Amino acid sequence: EPEVTQTPSHQVTQMGQEVILRCVPISNHLYFYWYRQILGQKVEFLVSFYNNEISEKSEIFDDQFSVERPDGSNFTLKIRSTKLEDSAMYFCASGVERSPNNEQFFGPGTRLTVL
Amino acid sequence: AQSVTQLGSHVSVSEGALVLLRCNYSSSVPPYLFWYVQYPNQGLQLLLKYTSAATLVKGINGFEAEFKKSETSFHLTKPSAHMSDAAEYFCAVGGATNKLIFGTGTLLAVQP
Repeated sequence: EPEVTQTPSHQVTQMGQEVILRCVPISNHLYFYWYRQILGQKVEFLVSFYNNEISEKSEIFDDQFSVERPDGSNFTLKIRSTKLEDSAMYFCASGVERSPNNEQFFGPGTRLTVL
Repeated sequence: AQSVTQLGSHVSVSEGALVLLRCNYSSSVPPYLFWYVQYPNQGLQLLLKYTSAATLVKGINGFEAEFKKSETSFHLTKPSAHMSDAAEYFCAVGGATNKLIFGTGTLLAVQP
């Protein structure tokens, strides 16, 4: 069964460093999302992406964040200069059609630890 | 604005007992409601969704949920818990935009 994959599963970085989290969505999907979950808190929406552009972003998704679909298969989230408060589990999701009435398929997540 | 509240961050049941996980929502537009499950080291998997077609929604693994507009609730139930049901369960709401808004999750433990 097709699934969303994410790499790495765990990333440790120093504050101020750049990180790139990678996702491979399901191949025929057109809509892509990033969510994050700080330990003990809610899963929060970060950004949605369609047709090579951001369709919606949350207040969390500031200038430090960017997304890209560089090669038609990968979908990346870049944090330019990490902060301690960026430590969280980051989930990638994809969907074949527009949500919310259609399912978003989630990856297993990347745990980001900022020291 | 939309939000969900999940009552009980940890729920423990005995194997064979009824599972009841609570979710209340707030939405200024007709909501779409979802339950996702997360097993250890795996992604979020859709259990079931409500999209206004029927108020009682049946999902995978014997779970079901009932949409009650008067109570703004979408509680998840399963008549008989199995050890394999131990996981974290997330309620989510959508409808205003493309994004999902999640609750804080409920960790279900199943005792033998």
